[in-house]
Order: sequence, then C-alpha cells, then structure tokens
Amino acid sequence: SYVLTQPPSVSVAPGQTARITCGGNNIGSKSVHWYQQKPGQAPVLVVYDDSDRPSGIPERFSGSNSGNTATLTISRVEAGDEADYYCQVWDSSSDPVVFGGGTKLTVL
Amino acid sequence: EVQLVESGGGLVQPGRSLRLSCAASGFTFDDYAMHWVRQAPGKGLEWVSGISWNSGSIGYADSVKGRFTISRDNAKNSLYLQMNSLRAEDTALYYCAKDVFGGNSGQNYFDYWGQGTLVTVSS
Repeated sequence: SYVLTQPPSVSVAPGQTARITCGGNNIGSKSVHWYQQKPGQAPVLVVYDDSDRPSGIPERFSGSNSGNTATLTISRVEAGDEADYYCQVWDSSSDPVVFGGGTKLTVL
Repeated sequence: EVQLVESGGGLVQPGRSLRLSCAASGFTFDDYAMHWVRQAPGKGLEWVSGISWNSGSIGYADSVKGRFTISRDNAKNSLYLQMNSLRAEDTALYYCAKDVFGGNSGQNYFDYWGQGTLVTVSS
C-alpha cells in the first residue's frame, strides 16, 4: 500500500514560515490534501488539490507538490496555527485513502 | 450549515458488536460519498471505510475488512458503520466525513467532519 511520510514535529517562531513536508513515491502525480487538527477538535481541511484553499482559510496557508515531496507552507505563523497537520492522498491500491502520520507544529 | 453528528460509541467487550450512526444535515446527502475515519488515542488519522452516493461502490481498510460493514440510508440522511468482532486495537474516536465527490474520482478528499464518537474495546 502507498505510504506517506511526515516529520513528527516542526517548530517555528511567531511571524516566521513553517514548512511541513509529506513524502511519497512519485507523489507529484497525485493530488495532495492537507488537514489541520487542533487538540480536542475534528480535522479541518486547509489545502486541497495540492495548492487550493477552501473558503475561510487564510492566504498564509499554501501548498506545493512535485516529485516525491508535497509541502504545506504556513507564512507569518501565529500562535493559533499550533496544531497537528496531516497530508492525504487517494491511491488505487488496497487502502484508497491514505493519510500521513501527522506533524505537530509548535509555535515557539 | 453542514452538520455531521456521530452516535453509537461506547465501551464494549472484545468480540462484541457495535453500530455507529452519523446524522447529516445542511447539504444534499445523496449527492456525496461518505466515509468513516478513526483516530486511536494519541495517534494519527486512519481511514476505515467509504461508500459512494448510491452505495454502488464500497471500500474498507485492510484492518477492518470482513469485520466492519458500512451502509447509508439516503432517505434518512444517515451513514452507518456496523462493527463486529471488535478488538482492542479498534479503540478510537470514529469520525464521519463528507467527501467532495459522489464516488471515486481519484482525487477524493473530505470537506466536512463530525466531532466523532468514542469506541472503547476492553474487558
């Protein structure tokens, strides 16, 4: 089955840029979606189809996808961005919906 | 406003069964595929099962195949998950999630999630 690899944690100071990666074999050929999950809350979609934002998501959230790595970029990080972030793709293998292991973003 | 409200979770002994429900509102339920995604305590997200708009296409994670059954009742705007032969490793918060498509598009993702219902499998 398809595997998505994320770093367990990323730390960034307020106002700086956070980059969270999601690695997968030829992931650039797939559509990657990103979810934010704050403690005790359900996941929220923040980026879909590699780089599109749902309505209501700040422009500070952006995404890219090429080769074997997709990246969620959060510019001008705020304390309220502290959360777990998950990447997700649809794959034609045995488990069609695949999530990355998640990355905990800490705002220093 | 889209709302997904899960129910049916609880404490159950290993080997027993449980049926989860998800009541949907705020959108045309029978236009969209629906899914169950779970999250074990302190762990990441794991897709469990999905069903297309007309129940014509159904999928399960290998970890639950043969034990769980997903279904939907479009007349009642409801999604279900029948869980049999439960194991300790099935302990998790179970989320109901709405797909942006009606079936398998190869690019499916989830635009709305419920708050989850907790299933604890323990003797």
